[in-house]
Amino acid sequence: NAGVTQTPKFQVLKTGQSMTLQCAQDMNHNSMYWYRQDPGMGLRLIYYSASEGTTDKGEVPNGYNVSRLNKREFSLRLESAAPSQTSVYFCASKRGGFNQPQHFGDGTRLSIL
Amino acid sequence: KNQVEQSPQSLIILEGKNCTLQCNYTVSPFSNLRWYKQDTGRGPVSLTIMTFSENTKSNGRYTATLDADTKQSSLHITASQLSDSASYICVVSMNSGGYQKVTFGTGTKLQVIP
Repeated sequence: NAGVTQTPKFQVLKTGQSMTLQCAQDMNHNSMYWYRQDPGMGLRLIYYSASEGTTDKGEVPNGYNVSRLNKREFSLRLESAAPSQTSVYFCASKRGGFNQPQHFGDGTRLSIL
Repeated sequence: KNQVEQSPQSLIILEGKNCTLQCNYTVSPFSNLRWYKQDTGRGPVSLTIMTFSENTKSNGRYTATLDADTKQSSLHITASQLSDSASYICVVSMNSGGYQKVTFGTGTKLQVIP
C-alpha cells in the first residue's frame, strides 16, 4: 500500500528558481492538501482541493500555486523561490466525512539558498 | 483566534515508564480532536480521534481523554517503548461553513531512552 507519495524527498534551490512538488495518492480520496511544517510551528495549510477540479487557498498561499491534475495527483508549484519558503512540505489526502483522518506523505525537504 | 497549545514541548522518559501529554485548545465550534504520531523524517499518522461526546478512547498503549467543557485533552502512553520516540501532534477540527477547518498544535517531542 503506497498511500500518499511525494517527490522529490529533498531539493535545494537558489532564490528565484522555480519548481514543482509532486503528490499522488492511491486511496481514491476526494480531498487533498498541501502543508508546510516549520520549526516551532504547527503544520500550516497552503492550499487544498476538496474534489477533483477545485482548489482553494489555505492559511499561507502567497508564493505558491497548485494544480489538481486528476483525482490522484495534486502538485504544488513555487514560481520564484524565496529563502522564506525553506521548509518541509507535506501532502495529505482524506476520504469524505468530518471524522476521517488525513493521510500524509513523508514530506519534501526544501532548502532555498 | 483558534489555537491549539501543547505541553510539554519536549519530554525524555525511561523505557517502560508512563507519560502524559497535554493539549489545550480554543477552537470553536468544536468538531473533533485527533492525536497524530510523527516519527522523525516521516509524515504524521493518526492515533485516535475524539468527538464531542467521547471522554476516553484507547488504542493499544495509547489512551486519549477529552474534557470538552475545559477544552483540554491528554494523551497517556503506558509502558513506553523505544519506538514511541516521536513527536505527538494534537489537531482540532471545527466546522466552518460546511468545510472542516483544522488547527494543528506544535507538538510534543518525546524521547524514550533505554
